[in-house]
Amino acid sequence: EIVLTQSPGTLSFSPGDRATLSCRASQRVSSNFLAWYQQKPGQAPRLLIYGASYRATGIPDRFSGSGSGTDFTLTISRLEPEDVAVYFCQQYGGSPRYTFGQGTKVE
Amino acid sequence: QVLLHQEGAGLLKPSETLSLTCTVARGSLNGYYWSWIRQAPGKGLEWIGEASYTGSTNYNPSLKSRVSMSLDTSNNHFSLRLSSVTAADAAVYFCARMTYYDIVTGTHRRDFDSWGQGTLVAVSS
Repeated sequence: EIVLTQSPGTLSFSPGDRATLSCRASQRVSSNFLAWYQQKPGQAPRLLIYGASYRATGIPDRFSGSGSGTDFTLTISRLEPEDVAVYFCQQYGGSPRYTFGQGTKVE
Repeated sequence: QVLLHQEGAGLLKPSETLSLTCTVARGSLNGYYWSWIRQAPGKGLEWIGEASYTGSTNYNPSLKSRVSMSLDTSNNHFSLRLSSVTAADAAVYFCARMTYYDIVTGTHRRDFDSWGQGTLVAVSS
């Protein structure tokens, strides 16, 4: 199983700050198969980034993704109050086919 | 934009079978893979399994012996059955569409671009 470890666990910010969220994989993950999601309380996750760096439809350009191999990053520039949420990374490969990180809470 | 709507019982007794359905609106089952994912209270996301438009299925090994998924293309919905539930199966269950090819970049991908609203499933005697 490919384990994804996210850090930090919680991130506190002020509006306008820049946030950097990390996702580290226990084995190499193809960049094509690394995604990031945003989940607000009581809602389903929403796809933000796919293929490690491509923004999903309708996602603001203050969200960006980067990384390769075992280390991936989600950057939120110019944080806004509506960005309060939990952010998950997800990979495809191995068994089980899909695994998720434990999440980073941005508050 | 495709919409996914979930239906099914939210309260089960131990040993019963969980049964959920996800109806796809403004889109087709064809050309995609369809997954179920769950989230225990205050926990992360766990992939349960997927069913493709070709009829193939893949399940999480930890649940494989109890899971069954199927597609009904005539009614544009797909289903999850999880047998012999216990308290450990209590969670919010989500259906999701998995996209495996990106037209924009011309590359393969494996991520969940549309989600159902979630169904809270409790297990109690």
